[in-house]
Order: sequence, then C-alpha cells, then structure tokens
Amino acid sequence: GESVGLHLPTLSVQEGDNSIINCAYSNSASDYFIWYKQESGKGPQFIIDIRSNMDKRQGQRVTVLLNKTVKHLSLQIAATQPGDSAVYFCAEKTIDKLIFGTGTRLQVFP
Amino acid sequence: ETGVTQTPRHLVMGMTNKKSLKCEQHLGHNAMYWYKQSAKKPLELMFVYNFKEQTENNSVPSRFSPECPNSSHLFLHLHTLQPEDSALYLCASSSRLAGVFGDTQYFGPGTRLTVL
Repeated sequence: GESVGLHLPTLSVQEGDNSIINCAYSNSASDYFIWYKQESGKGPQFIIDIRSNMDKRQGQRVTVLLNKTVKHLSLQIAATQPGDSAVYFCAEKTIDKLIFGTGTRLQVFP
Repeated sequence: ETGVTQTPRHLVMGMTNKKSLKCEQHLGHNAMYWYKQSAKKPLELMFVYNFKEQTENNSVPSRFSPECPNSSHLFLHLHTLQPEDSALYLCASSSRLAGVFGDTQYFGPGTRLTVL
C-alpha cells in the first residue's frame, strides 16, 4: 500500500477536468483490487474493482487501470464534478483479506 | 444507502466506561467485519465473522470484544479503552468472505469514538 503519513496527498482539479488518482500496491500475488470513495462523515463506498488478469475496466465515468509490472493501480474520473470531492483509496486482496491504502483527497474547485 | 447501519454515530467515553457499538446489515450477507480508521493509518481490519463464526482476530487488544449473534448483527464491546483507541470504527459486510471478485464489502457510516 501507500506510505503512511499524517496528511493525505491531495489532488485538486477544476470541475469538468479529468482526474487521475494513483495507488501503489505491495503484494505481487494480489489478484483483486478495489477502489473506494469516502465522503466526509460517511463510510467507504465501492466504486469499481478489477481482477489481476485484466488491465483495464470501465464504469460510469470511471476507469481503473492496472499495471502489474510496476504494481500500480490508477482511477480515472472523467468530467470531475463537485460531488466527486472525497477521499479515494485502493484496496488489494491477498489470500482472503483486503489491505487498504491511506487514500488521496480529491478536491474539486469551480 | 448502503444497507449497513451503525449505532451510535458518535460516542464519547471515559477510560473506565463500558460501551457497545452495534452494526446491522440488511443485505442478506454472511460475512461481517470490524475495521478501525484513524487519521494516521490506513483502514485496519480488526475482526471477521463468517456465518456467525469468528475467522479473524487481527491481534486486537482484549479490551475490544466482538459478538456476532447472527449473520445480520455485529457488536463491538468496549471496556477500559485508552485515548489512542479514539478513531472511526467501521462495520462492513459481504456476501462471502472478503475479496472474492465481484463480492465487495459494503460499509456502514461508522461510529466516531472519542476516549477521554
């Protein structure tokens, strides 16, 4: 997962632009990955997932890319909206549990 | 709405108090989880229950005691906590144990716990 720190990395984007949030995972044997969105005062919400035998998966306005060579996962949000403002974090499945990253805060400004 | 509810949403307790957190899922799932989320760390898995049986205790101190009376309800009993236990405690459920592709975990809104 990502390095642990006191402050979350922050991505600031203008409304309407595309956002790319990155995640480095740690275990090359992980076979399943998930992106979650957590808004203030709420629990994490599932966005999209991808299996390790896939490179790309698309949802509604979101795309997840997986690069197993460098153990990197990214979440692309098209036409970012104010409602997309939240903390986003990835999770990797190892054996039978999920390991979560620390997250990235996405701020959308008009 | 996620279908997973947690009560209370906020809790302030002293170190000598005993309190309980409650989680209920309305999704017909068989697996339930307790996580701890603090500002300085990623989500930490605490306990896992599958069909009411505990399958995971992630080296959690004994001052945290889980209880799963049925597949829909999960409790976390708290006693003699420490200030460093202050955090957001999240409950989650999934149809099967964590991580099966397409069988994601659904989270409740969490209980914000402050230990004085």
